[in-house]
Amino acid sequence: DAGVIQSPRHEVTEMGQEVTLRCKPISGHDYLFWYRQTMMRGLELLIYFNNNVPIDDSGMPEDRFSAKMPNASFSTLKIQPSEPRDSAVYFCASSSGQGTSTDTQYFGPGTRLTVL
Amino acid sequence: AQSVTQLDSQVPVFEEAPVELRCNYSSSVSVYLFWYVQYPNQGLQLLLKYLSGSTLVKGINGFEAEFNKSQTSFHLRKPSVHISDTAEYFCAVTPRGYQKVTFGTGTKLQVIP
Repeated sequence: DAGVIQSPRHEVTEMGQEVTLRCKPISGHDYLFWYRQTMMRGLELLIYFNNNVPIDDSGMPEDRFSAKMPNASFSTLKIQPSEPRDSAVYFCASSSGQGTSTDTQYFGPGTRLTVL
Repeated sequence: AQSVTQLDSQVPVFEEAPVELRCNYSSSVSVYLFWYVQYPNQGLQLLLKYLSGSTLVKGINGFEAEFNKSQTSFHLRKPSVHISDTAEYFCAVTPRGYQKVTFGTGTKLQVIP
């Protein structure tokens, strides 16, 4: 398996622009997670899905952030409008839950977002 | 709610010396515990996990961790480190039966030649 795939790997944009991050989870995994990593706040869970349904979005910073999972093999995290404080590395991870929490989360390589 | 505390933000150690990275957790329910490693410019990958049974857990790359319920700790150890172990290490906890994981703030291990 190719692992969790994220695109783009790097994104540089200007304040106010819309940013879309993409993720393809490992085939067969039914959980998908979006994390944000910054020096100040470390690794934060933004939202996670089970079988394409959002389960917990309490970590989403504000209305400028939205996430979708239209099917089992694709998810997007959108920021509109973007702000400099959104600059961070965004990770997508997937796991096979099967109703338990015993399963390992597999992380993608991340998208480094810079908002100027 | 769960929380994870990694007291050491950075740990420098000489090559071939032993190392211990400390992790303490807090939870009102039973939990599973994990250690993940993040190499520069990469995502996190699992080192080892404690689910139940033996309190000493062995992971990849010669690492091991010991679950201590009375002290609510899950310290990570390696008897002899290599340059390639230079990375950031994250302790994590999740309640049994849930998928939501709480990560610690990470410990940067710097192996000195």
